Amino acid sequence: NAGVTQTPKFQVLKTGQSMTLQCAQDMNHNSMYWYRQDPGMGLRLIYYSASEGTTDKGEVPNGYNVSRLNKREFSLRLESAAPSQTSVYFCASSVYRGDTGELFFGEGSRLTVL
Amino acid sequence: DAKTTQPPSMDCAEGRAANLPCNHSTISGNEYVYWYRQIHSQGPQYIIHGLKNNETNEMASLIITEDRKSSTLILPHATLRDTAVYYCIVRQTGANNLFFGTGTRLTVIP
Repeated sequence: NAGVTQTPKFQVLKTGQSMTLQCAQDMNHNSMYWYRQDPGMGLRLIYYSASEGTTDKGEVPNGYNVSRLNKREFSLRLESAAPSQTSVYFCASSVYRGDTGELFFGEGSRLTVL
Repeated sequence: DAKTTQPPSMDCAEGRAANLPCNHSTISGNEYVYWYRQIHSQGPQYIIHGLKNNETNEMASLIITEDRKSSTLILPHATLRDTAVYYCIVRQTGANNLFFGTGTRLTVIP
């Protein structure tokens, strides 16, 4: 099992460019999440998808869009990248049984916006 | 979700028990205590969680005080590979988010 796979692992963008971060999980999990982590900070939730076909905003959704393509895949799109979006992005998934919150994380995607 | 307070950093000698404290004085009755760790810049890894009772698994033990206002994560025999940032999180039943703070940076010293 690969678990949670994120692509790309590294990306450099210029201000105003767009890109999509891809995430796929092979654990048959219902819920998927996108977090960002800035240097020296904890993780902050951008968007999540509790189940296939639904998406909801987290703490810091501005400047991002998401698509839950199917049960396995959850993508994060930056339409017009800004330097403030330089960060490490983590995708996660969970079974979500209501009272359990074990999240499985990917290895991260490191994005630099110049 | 209730907030948590953790010391920013701790050291532990290799082979000794590492005891990581967490205060969550505003925790409510339906909130669980979760612990995750992040080794270097990898994705966080789930360690353990509990509601009222103490819990133990192959990685660690979680001790929750009777009033539930604080908890301690215990790594019984710390190794160099346990050097990481440890996050204590409280999560409401049914909530979709885990709020990560800045955690405790544990350094295991040879």
